[in-house]
Order: sequence, then C-alpha cells, then structure tokens
Amino acid sequence: GAVVSQHPSWVICKSGTSVKIECRSLDFQATTMFWYRQFPKQSLMLMATSNEGSKATYEQGVEKDKFLINHASLTLSTLTVTSAHPEDSSFYICSASMRADEQYFGPGTRLTVT
Amino acid sequence: QKEVEQDPGPLSVPEGAIVSLNCTYSNSAFQYFMWYRQYSRKGPELLMYTYSSGNKEDGRFTAQVDKSSKYISLFIRDSQPSDSATYLCAMSPYISASKIIFGSGTRLSIRP
Repeated sequence: GAVVSQHPSWVICKSGTSVKIECRSLDFQATTMFWYRQFPKQSLMLMATSNEGSKATYEQGVEKDKFLINHASLTLSTLTVTSAHPEDSSFYICSASMRADEQYFGPGTRLTVT
Repeated sequence: QKEVEQDPGPLSVPEGAIVSLNCTYSNSAFQYFMWYRQYSRKGPELLMYTYSSGNKEDGRFTAQVDKSSKYISLFIRDSQPSDSATYLCAMSPYISASKIIFGSGTRLSIRP
C-alpha cells in the first residue's frame, strides 16, 4: 500500500516552454503533498507544501510564479515549471502524506531543459 | 553551516560487514529522525523513524539517536549487495513528517 506515482518519469523540453508534472497517490487519500527538487549528488530540497483545495506554501527562495502547484484533489497534485530554463534541469520528487508521521515518495521526474 | 551534515561517501564494504552511517545536526529543535534509502533515479524509501534518543531495531537495521550530541546513526548488519544505495538521514522539528530536512546522502556499495 501507500504507492505514489509520478508522470512523466523523464521529460525533455526546450528553453522557454512550460512543463507539467503529475503526482498521484494511488491507493490512499493524501491530505498533504510535498514537492522536492534534487540536483545530482545533492540532497532533496523542499520546494513547497500543498494541501488539497488550498494554495501551496512555498519555501524561501522558491518562485511561486515559476513553479505553479495545483492540488485539485486528495489524490492528485501537479507542478508546472513555467518558462523553463536549463538551470531548472533537475530531479523533481513529490511525496504524499495521509497521516502525520510518514511521507510516501514518488519515483521522481527527471527534467532536462535544452 | 548546514542544518544536517552527512558524509557523502562513497562507502564500499564487503558483503556481510556491519555498516555504520552517521549524521550530525545543529538544530536542537529536531525531534523526529528518519532514515531513507534511495536507489539511483528513484524516489526515497523510508527505512526507519524514531522520536527519542536511544536505539530502535528493525531486522538488520538499527537506528540510534543521541540528542545530547546531536548525532544519529544507522547500522546495517549482515550487509547484502542489494543494500547498495544512497542512504539519506532526515529530521524534522515537528512530531510529524512535515518540514523534513534531508542530509546530502551517503552512497553505499556492498561488494559481493
């Protein structure tokens, strides 16, 4: 149980375009979803926290107008990287939480901006 | 200074050895401590979590927390090649999985 999926697993886009990443909790309802970014050989950095039906809370230094998060239902959250640039190339990982003491992580999405 | 410090490795040990992975932290407000395992190009998988100082055992894994020294460890007994992965320590100032701060991860390789 507690499976989280992400789609796509890998995306390549051109500089200036936007790309959407989906995060789904497959077998549970997630009250909270989190979005992380991980650069090569570095740790996961929390970008934002979102609760279903409300606006996401962004971490300091994360541009909310560039990284749009929508948490439309208890099983789906999306992250849209707008006007992507090569420096946005990274591994984006979501996690979902149904109770306070655990986060279940998705498999990640590798974004390459050319 | 980072809030959580973790030796990046890589750490290479022979199969069957006992592995010790460690993290130090600076924020005395951390109350919830976790260890995750991450295989290459995959999301992290929670191995263990604990709230208190002391040891917690789960199969071949033992998590140890020393709040007075701000030091946590993960021990792996009878290590297997399938244990080869990156191990991330993580902690939170809340008694919950929100606002998790991750260490940079230690790459572990178990040689057959």
